[in-house]
Amino acid sequence: SQTIHQWPATLVQPVGSPLSLECTVEGTSNPNLYWYRQAAGRGLQLLFYSVGIGQISSEVPQNLSASRPQDRQFILSSKKLLLSDSGFYLCAWSEGRTGWGNEQFFGPGTRLTVL
Amino acid sequence: GENVEQHPSTLSVQEGDSAVIKCTYSDSASNYFPWYKQELGKRPQLIIDIRSNVGEKKDQRIAVTLNKTAKHFSLHITETQPEDSAVYFCAPFGNYGQNFVFGPGTRLSVLP
Repeated sequence: SQTIHQWPATLVQPVGSPLSLECTVEGTSNPNLYWYRQAAGRGLQLLFYSVGIGQISSEVPQNLSASRPQDRQFILSSKKLLLSDSGFYLCAWSEGRTGWGNEQFFGPGTRLTVL
Repeated sequence: GENVEQHPSTLSVQEGDSAVIKCTYSDSASNYFPWYKQELGKRPQLIIDIRSNVGEKKDQRIAVTLNKTAKHFSLHITETQPEDSAVYFCAPFGNYGQNFVFGPGTRLSVLP
C-alpha cells in the first residue's frame, strides 16, 4: 500500500533563516506531487505541484521554491523565511494521469512557526 | 483561474439532523468533484467524490450531488453524529491549469 511521509512534524524558525521540508511517497510510481500551505483556520493554498522529476509548477509567487530530485521525493525550500510563512504545510500525492483528477492523499503535515 | 465558493461557511446542527454544504465553481470543464474532511490538527481526507458523468453518489450516510449545468455540487450528511464535526472542503479539478482548487471550507458542528 501507499504511504506518504513528511518531516519534520513541527518547526520553529527565526525570520530570515532558511527552510527545507521533505516529503516522500512509497508504494507508487510517477505520482503527481503537491505542496499546500494552510494558515490557521483557513483553507488550503496550493503552492507547487509536480507531474514528474524536475518538473515544477508554481501557483503563487513568493519566497518559496520546490524541487523534485527523485520520482517520489518532493522538497520545499526557502532561503529567507518571513513571518507570513508561518502555517501548516501539507504534502500530497495523486495518481499521475494528465487531464484527469484523482483522489489526493495528504501527508501528516509540518507545522511551521516563524518568529 | 477557477473560482470556488462554499456555503455556508459555518453550520451547526443537532445530532441526528441532516447537513448540506454547497460548492460552486467557475470552470465549466471541471471533471472531478471531491469532498475532503479535516479534523482539528489533522490532514484532510477524502470522504466522497464524483465524476462529471454521474449525477449522484451515495456512501452510507454521505452523498454528493452534481449539477454541471449550474456548476455546483453538494455534500449531504444524514443522521449526523458528533464525530462528523470537522471542516469540510470541496476541491473541483479543473482543466484550466490541470489542477485542484480548494474551497474556503465549511465548519460543521454537530451538537449532542
